[in-house]
Amino acid sequence: EVQLVESGGGLVQPGASLKLSCVASGFTFSDYWMSWVRQTPGKTMEWIGDIKYDGSYTNYAPSLKNRFTISRDNAKSTLYLQMSNVRSEDTATYYCTRVAGSPYFDYWGQGVMVTVSS
Amino acid sequence: DIQMTQTPSSMPASLGERVTISCRASQGISNYLNWYQQKPDGTIKPLIYYTSNLQSGVPSRFSGSGSGTDYSLTISSLEPEDFAMYYCQQYDSSPDTFGAGTKLELK
Repeated sequence: EVQLVESGGGLVQPGASLKLSCVASGFTFSDYWMSWVRQTPGKTMEWIGDIKYDGSYTNYAPSLKNRFTISRDNAKSTLYLQMSNVRSEDTATYYCTRVAGSPYFDYWGQGVMVTVSS
Repeated sequence: DIQMTQTPSSMPASLGERVTISCRASQGISNYLNWYQQKPDGTIKPLIYYTSNLQSGVPSRFSGSGSGTDYSLTISSLEPEDFAMYYCQQYDSSPDTFGAGTKLELK
């Protein structure tokens, strides 16, 4: 059974940094592109970016490119999202997703909440 | 970025009813359109990929169609478990963008 389990969220002050993790199981992690998607409290969905199966290529939403970094450790079957200089508008639930071939997001984690507030 | 206009934003409907949710892209997206369902507990799963392809395990009452800028998701006969949020997503042009969602509610 494919499972994606995010962690690392919580309350963070504006301007701080935060690193989210997503541990994958039930499939060969190193065979798949992975992606992060977030959902605001108002339910708006926003694609953050993705990373190639071997970690050699990343692609980001232009509005987030300078502050967010996606990486992966295939030996640990873990995907990461490093967030820096966070702002109130980064308050959201962050989802780790597996990218299927079409491409589309065929598996989603349960999500992890990040609240940016002083 | 390509804007996805999803309508309606909410839809009251009855069990057994046929419903259609629409997504209009701000430019042609060559059928690169996916649909997702989000349950009240936050669980998200794919329903349809590349406009009309049914994800494995998804009931056949779900179907997708469209071309150019206009796409739709149809549920032929609503079941209790179908009352949820639905989102379209385009991947023709980076960044991927989503519609604002449609909340399907029990009438």
